[in-house]
Amino acid sequence: EVQLVESGGGLVQPGGSLRLSCAASGFTFSDHYMDWVRQAPGKGLEWVGRSRNKANSYTTEYAASVKGRFTISRDDSKNSLYLQMNSLKSEDTAVYHCARGSGADIWGQGTMVTVSS
Amino acid sequence: QSVLTQPPSASGTPGQRVTISCSGSSSNIGSNYVYWYQQLPGTAPKLLIYRNDQRPSGVPDRFSGSKSGTSASLAISGLRSEDEADYYCAAWDDSLSGRVFGGGTKLTVL
Repeated sequence: EVQLVESGGGLVQPGGSLRLSCAASGFTFSDHYMDWVRQAPGKGLEWVGRSRNKANSYTTEYAASVKGRFTISRDDSKNSLYLQMNSLKSEDTAVYHCARGSGADIWGQGTMVTVSS
Repeated sequence: QSVLTQPPSASGTPGQRVTISCSGSSSNIGSNYVYWYQQLPGTAPKLLIYRNDQRPSGVPDRFSGSKSGTSASLAISGLRSEDEADYYCAAWDDSLSGRVFGGGTKLTVL
């Protein structure tokens, strides 16, 4: 079964850091671009960033709202995608989903990140 | 303020046909594929339409997508109560070098 499972969410103080993980299974992870998408409580979807595959030199892209604070990485040997979040702000509070491919055809259930003192 | 513009709400009665619009610009919808997602309450989004008008396997043919210029539409025919959900459009934006979503449309089946 094709599956994405996020983990690593939790409560963090403003200015703090958190690292999210996304474990992939049921498909050849290394072949695919991977995105992070977030959804603040009661709000719409917001794209966070992208990791391209090895064939595209593992390049990354970020939304302006997180650029310079968040870093996306991946480990194809572990079928895993990561999101390192630094200098967290209250407005980063959201459910964070990983999604497969440039079309986001598969989504994980998400992990909740709450930034609050 | 979302880069792609969707109506915040839409409604219809069972059996009816409903359309949801998504308006963008030349840097996103005008030059890239449009995707549509359905998000049922409390669940992760699900891909409904890809590459403007293609349906993934398992998506009923009651759902259809179209694109013209810098706008796109999602049509749902034979409306059912289980179609009550939030719907989002998305596209790559060349100017922003990022993916952009519409603000979402909440569909109510009356």
